[in-house]
Amino acid sequence: AQSVTQLDSHVSVSEGTPVLLRCNYSSSYSPSLFWYVQHPNKGLQLLLKYTSAATLVKGINGFEAEFKKSETSFHLTKPSAHMSDAAEYFCVVSEPYGSSNTGKLIFGQGTTLQVKP
Amino acid sequence: NAGVTQTPKFRVLKTGQSMTLLCAQDMNHEYMYWYRQDPGMGLRLIHYSVGEGTTAKGEVPDGYNVSRLKKQNFLLGLESAAPSQTSVYFCASSSDRGSNSPLHFGNGTRLTVT
Repeated sequence: AQSVTQLDSHVSVSEGTPVLLRCNYSSSYSPSLFWYVQHPNKGLQLLLKYTSAATLVKGINGFEAEFKKSETSFHLTKPSAHMSDAAEYFCVVSEPYGSSNTGKLIFGQGTTLQVKP
Repeated sequence: NAGVTQTPKFRVLKTGQSMTLLCAQDMNHEYMYWYRQDPGMGLRLIHYSVGEGTTAKGEVPDGYNVSRLKKQNFLLGLESAAPSQTSVYFCASSSDRGSNSPLHFGNGTRLTVT
């Protein structure tokens, strides 16, 4: 079965410093992996996705993530945090698509990113 | 461009009452989903639909029912609300299954059951 673990429930950085949000996954298959972001009182928005092409994936707003199969990780990074990056971030793995399932998404527990001025 | 619209935004129910949450999307998406979000638990799938007239159970379907009579609408019903159903509910839609196309989310419905 697929699962995803976000290693930090809360990360605090200063504006202009790098951001690292950690995610480990478990999958019996080659997974599709995603990062979604949720700003306060809003729905979630796709940041980026990995679907077995390049292992370094670039997303919106300067974020990127690297798929490392040997470490079963998909950490999200950004070189320089901005105040507007303060939000909750979700790492997501999809079930494989097949006769017994429909490729549903499995969400991690979320990491709250705080950006201090 | 409204995207995904959820109504109502807030609701307070007493235990045992019923209600229906409405989700409407204007993107002609085939797939629609209902999730609940609870602190420290991420999003959990309640029910989903892969097209008009179809519905299927997700991870946590007990206590909820859904209907997809029209392609653009996906209704979530609580027949007899319980305090354990206090949560934030999100509707989402996508043009293909979630592994292939991004989910578009509404802004959520905050439900409190007392």
